[in-house]
Amino acid sequence: DIVMTQSPDSLAVSLGERATINCKSSQSVLYSSNNKNYLAWYQQKPGQPPKLLIYWASTRDSGVPDRFSGSGSGTDFTLTISSLQAEDVAVYYCQQSYTTPGFTFGQGTRLEIK
Amino acid sequence: EVQLVESGGGLVQPGGSLRLSCAASGFTVSSNYMSWVRQAPGKGLEWVSVIYSAGNTYYADSVKGRFTISRHSLKNTLYLQMNSLRTEDTAIYYCATSVRGDTSIFDYWGQAIVVTVSS
Repeated sequence: DIVMTQSPDSLAVSLGERATINCKSSQSVLYSSNNKNYLAWYQQKPGQPPKLLIYWASTRDSGVPDRFSGSGSGTDFTLTISSLQAEDVAVYYCQQSYTTPGFTFGQGTRLEIK
Repeated sequence: EVQLVESGGGLVQPGGSLRLSCAASGFTVSSNYMSWVRQAPGKGLEWVSVIYSAGNTYYADSVKGRFTISRHSLKNTLYLQMNSLRTEDTAIYYCATSVRGDTSIFDYWGQAIVVTVSS
């Protein structure tokens, strides 16, 4: 099974500053046949279901603000929030689907305001 | 508008059974892949089960042999039959799907239903 490990577990960033969350998979999630990384990022606010932010490692979902970006390939990925807003306080999860149907999530990163 | 509404949760004793339902609107359950994802109190997300449009089903090792995913086309509803429940199955359960034909992501989630396994 692919294990997804996020770092850090929690993060405090000042408003307007950059936030960076990392996700490492225990094996590559890059499909060579289509050159896509099967890695997604979700945001979960308290009492709400997760919301899809990024898929294929770097494609922003419809309606997601452009301050959110995803990067990386193979086993190492990053979610970056370029200028933190108060509404971005949440827990963020990465998820692999390379081994579909065995989807696995990272343990989550809690993002707070400093 | 796509909506997913879960029901059927509650308190059950260890060894007991529950059936969760997820009523869908705005799309056809049998034409999409549908999953259950759970979240134990204060913990992260754990994928539980999936049923694809062709009807093939898969389960996480933690629930294999105890849980069964199914769907009812006329009712446009997804189910999760949970048997031999354990305390570690205590969680909120989400149904989730993607309506854009991509079976690698979840772009719609229900609001979740609580399952508590305790004596």
